[in-house]
Amino acid sequence: EAGVVQSPRYKIIEKKQPVAFWCNPISGHNTLYWYRQNLGQGPELLIRYENEEAVDDSQLPKDRFSAERLKGVDSTLKIQPAELGDSAVYLCASSLDRGVRPYTFGSGTRLTVV
Amino acid sequence: SQQGEEDPQALSIQEGENATMNCSYKTSINNLQWYRQNSGRGLVHLILIRSNEREKHSGRLRVTLDTSKKSSSLLITASRAADTASYFCATDAKQAGTALIFGKGTTLSVSS
Repeated sequence: EAGVVQSPRYKIIEKKQPVAFWCNPISGHNTLYWYRQNLGQGPELLIRYENEEAVDDSQLPKDRFSAERLKGVDSTLKIQPAELGDSAVYLCASSLDRGVRPYTFGSGTRLTVV
Repeated sequence: SQQGEEDPQALSIQEGENATMNCSYKTSINNLQWYRQNSGRGLVHLILIRSNEREKHSGRLRVTLDTSKKSSSLLITASRAADTASYFCATDAKQAGTALIFGKGTTLSVSS
């Protein structure tokens, strides 16, 4: 089966520009997560979806970040406008549900804001 | 916020040696998981240990959990160059409605 697919793999943008990341989770996985990983750090949760509902977005900087998961499958994460401090790897993961399940991660999108 | 703290931050060993990484966390958990991340890639799940378990094995991996000390350790026996990666512990907190919280990771380098 295909894993979690993310695109693009790399993105370089100028500050104040918008950027969007896309994630296709494993088929049948109800729960989807967006994490941000700064260099040399562990992933930090931005938002968690149960099907199409965002059930935990407390760590999402809502002034510039937005996310959606239409029809409870694919998800997009957007930043507008981007700031220099947003440079990081954005990881998408999915799991069957929020129970005792391991997460499957995508390869991530490495964002560089210049 | 990051609940887990791995120790050491970096570890360099020779092939064939054992590697031990430690993780400490702060709150009560349902389970603790270990993940590996190769450079430039996503995280891969290695092993999960539930709060009522004390030790678990998977191939060359051995994980222990001490809930009284809020700590876990990951032992990789007979390390190979291919084990070179970053290793993260992640906690599934008992607090309802939380996702996995990851530590800062241990970077393991295995030289041949």
